[in-house]
Amino acid sequence: EIVMTQSPATLSVSPGDRATLSCRAGQTVGNNLSWYQQKPGQAPRLLIYGASTRATGIPARFSGSGSGTEFTLTISSLQSEDFAIYYCQQYNYWPTFGQGTKVEVK
Amino acid sequence: QEQLQESGPGLVKPSQTLSLTCTVSGGSISSGGHYWSWIRQHPVKGLDWIGYIYYSGSIYHNGSTDYNPSLKSRVTISGDTSKNQFSLKLKSVTDADTAVYYCARVHCSSIACYPYEAFDIWGQGTMVTVSS
Repeated sequence: EIVMTQSPATLSVSPGDRATLSCRAGQTVGNNLSWYQQKPGQAPRLLIYGASTRATGIPARFSGSGSGTEFTLTISSLQSEDFAIYYCQQYNYWPTFGQGTKVEVK
Repeated sequence: QEQLQESGPGLVKPSQTLSLTCTVSGGSISSGGHYWSWIRQHPVKGLDWIGYIYYSGSIYHNGSTDYNPSLKSRVTISGDTSKNQFSLKLKSVTDADTAVYYCARVHCSSIACYPYEAFDIWGQGTMVTVSS
């Protein structure tokens, strides 16, 4: 099993600010990494796949980077609807998810 | 655009079998494209991939499956192509199996569809509690 570790657990950000979320894989996963957003009572929503490709309909303020074992999700200017929990997931082997980063209002 | 909807009992007794069904609308599970998965979300432990089912599109293909190794001994995923549904059975449940269960479509790249990929369409999820 490839363990995915996200940091920080909670990120306090003001609307309009930049948010940077990190995800580390326990072994290399190439660029087989996706990011999801989840709001209370909803299913996760795919934001990024292939480490850096935005999914259909995802705003350009969301960007992903990294390869191997270190990955980053950046939200360039936080909007009110972006406060949520974000998960990374690797699929280089059978899929595993990180524990999530909660982005909250500062 | 496909839509997925989970259904099944919200309460299961310990040691019994959890059974859920995912109904897919707007697309066919048997057309030989996407893989179809089950994922669960524990209140504390987070998201776990359970397994997938795949139909190649051949009338002779009854579906292929793969499972999370940690659950493999207890899980069966099957499909009913006539109803455009796929199902999950998890036997010998304990309270550790209490979770929200999601069905999801596995994303296809522009080149091909692979079993291990991101999940691009999810059902709304169904809460299953294991309790006597």
